[in-house]
Amino acid sequence: GEDVEQSLFLSVREGDSSVINCTYTDSSSTYLYWYKQEPGAGLQLLTYIFSNMDMKQDQRLTVLLNKKDKHLSLRIADTQTGDSAIYFCAESDTDKLIFGTGTRLQVFP
Amino acid sequence: GAVVSQHPSWVICKSGTSVKIECRSLDFQATTMFWYRQFPKQSLMLMATSNEGSKATYEQGVEKDKFLINHASLTLSTLTVTSAHPEDSSFYICSASTTGLGAFQHFNEQFFGPGTRLTVL
Repeated sequence: GEDVEQSLFLSVREGDSSVINCTYTDSSSTYLYWYKQEPGAGLQLLTYIFSNMDMKQDQRLTVLLNKKDKHLSLRIADTQTGDSAIYFCAESDTDKLIFGTGTRLQVFP
Repeated sequence: GAVVSQHPSWVICKSGTSVKIECRSLDFQATTMFWYRQFPKQSLMLMATSNEGSKATYEQGVEKDKFLINHASLTLSTLTVTSAHPEDSSFYICSASTTGLGAFQHFNEQFFGPGTRLTVL
């Protein structure tokens, strides 16, 4: 079945850039997503990218997609303490979302 | 817009009792609702997909007789955990989707509720 993998933990200094990586196995993915989950809360969609795109930028967020390697990344510029959360990548080719394992981002002053 | 609520936000119950969790789309009609389960420090696992007025489709390994899903209207879906046991303790999250809605103009964007934490003693 489909599998989506992420590194578990990332720690960055406030003001630096954060890069969260994700690999997936389903070559038929149509959309790939990044979600943010704060403690005890549901998921907030940050951004998504269509599978025929290589890059998408939205304010401080930059998504890069390497479809050949099935690799997705999320770069957060000028990371702030409010960005501390768990970040999930997800893929879909139908209505169903397959989530990655999540990366806990910790931002320290 | 596109707000999804869940009730209760947390519940503690005794082993053997049943617990009902509600998921509501507050400002749109959800053609499809999804139920997820999240264990501590783990990812979301899809339990089932439900469409209004029809039976839910359960993922492999999810007991349909234990996790009863009812999607009686376009704004409400319920998940009932029957005869709950400590191993059912988890964070349950619902999402709702419809076509042509959302800031990203995405065809089938899912909007997530805030989750319900279930603790079974």
